[in-house]
Amino acid sequence: AQTVTQSQPEMSVQEAETVTLSCTYDTSESNYYLFWYKQPPSRQMILVIRQEAYKQQNATENRFSVNFQKAAKSFSLKISDSQLGDTAMYFCAFMKHIRGAQKLVFGQGTRLTINP
Amino acid sequence: GAVVSQHPSWVICKSGTSVKIECRSLDFQATTMFWYRQFPKQSLMLMATSNEGSKATYEQGVEKDKFLINHASLTLSTLTVTSAHPEDSSFYICSTIRQQANSGNTIYFGEGSWLTVV
Repeated sequence: AQTVTQSQPEMSVQEAETVTLSCTYDTSESNYYLFWYKQPPSRQMILVIRQEAYKQQNATENRFSVNFQKAAKSFSLKISDSQLGDTAMYFCAFMKHIRGAQKLVFGQGTRLTINP
Repeated sequence: GAVVSQHPSWVICKSGTSVKIECRSLDFQATTMFWYRQFPKQSLMLMATSNEGSKATYEQGVEKDKFLINHASLTLSTLTVTSAHPEDSSFYICSTIRQQANSGNTIYFGEGSWLTVV
């Protein structure tokens, strides 16, 4: 079974700083998808970034980028120029590509606080 | 606008009663929907996979007689918490995958439902 581990329960940085959230996973699959989701107090799940395992290039979305190390099974999220609105829970998630049903396995989450 | 609509957002029910939560896909067919449960300050845990026209697949440790899932149409899945107890109080959220030929598969989540059992 796949597992996802986020070793940082909480992190706190000053506004405009750069912060990196860690995520490791365990799988025997060779093709899969990795995600970072943001969950603000509203509890809405917001996709931050997505990475396909077969792609060597790290995904980027504006201020958000990942460091995907497939051999090490590591998938960290870097937030540059952090903003107050980035304060939220962040979940790393894994999805095994299965024909039809594709469920997400989530890490424990990291509570990120951006201080003014 | 919302692609997946979940209702109700909040529900309070008395212990021993049943409560139904709906998850609808808007403007597309969702043959598979997923139901997650999230306790305060914890992660999302998959409860079951809802399959249109067939029985749901439950994760280990989830009581299928207590959490009834019905996926009678291609746009609607329901989760019914039967004989609810205070320990069932939690945040429930559904998700599904929209398959599009040009842009691949996209995962969508409902807005979630807070259940409080008193």
